[in-house]
Amino acid sequence: ETGVTQSPTHLIKTRGQQVTLRCSSQSGHNTVSWYQQALGQGPQFIFQYYREEENGRGNFPPRFSGLQFPNYSSELNVNALELDDSALYLCASSLGLSSNYEQYFGPGTRLTVT
Amino acid sequence: AQRVTQPEKLLSVFKGAPVELKCNYSYSGSPELFWYVQYSRQRLQLLLRHISRESIKGFTADLNKGETSFHLKKPFAQEEDSAMYYCASQVQGNNRLAFGKGNQVVVIP
Repeated sequence: ETGVTQSPTHLIKTRGQQVTLRCSSQSGHNTVSWYQQALGQGPQFIFQYYREEENGRGNFPPRFSGLQFPNYSSELNVNALELDDSALYLCASSLGLSSNYEQYFGPGTRLTVT
Repeated sequence: AQRVTQPEKLLSVFKGAPVELKCNYSYSGSPELFWYVQYSRQRLQLLLRHISRESIKGFTADLNKGETSFHLKKPFAQEEDSAMYYCASQVQGNNRLAFGKGNQVVVIP
């Protein structure tokens, strides 16, 4: 069984640019959640996708958007990057929406905005 | 909105000493509470959840609804317990997690 994978591992972007981060969910998982973890903070919920539809969003502006594909992999897109977007971005997959299902985290993508 | 508070940032304990990490939550409903752990160079992983009421790696946590707390305890710390620990809450019915800021635990040999 393959765990959650994320790419790239890290990247550096300039303020104003756009970035796409990718996440492959664990085998059999149809739900993907994205979190932002700023330095010294706990992860913050960005949004969640279930069977290719967005299912809830945290307190993030519209320039944070996402997609989920038929194979349940997912992308996080951030437009008009700001310095404060520098963070570790985590995705987590689960078997479904129920709170009974454990979320399995990927290793994260470290984004630095200069 | 859910809010999770972990007051201490860094906790240093000697091997064999007890460990207690404090976690308080604020939510008007009945949240589900979790402790997640991140060992050095590893990904975030679930340590335990309150509904399972089990002890994992010697750690236990009791949900106290009156004090809105979910403190994590271990009677005898081991060196391998050195890690970042995050308390998290989740509204019943969905699996979106709200995390605290985390506690860095350092176990001194």
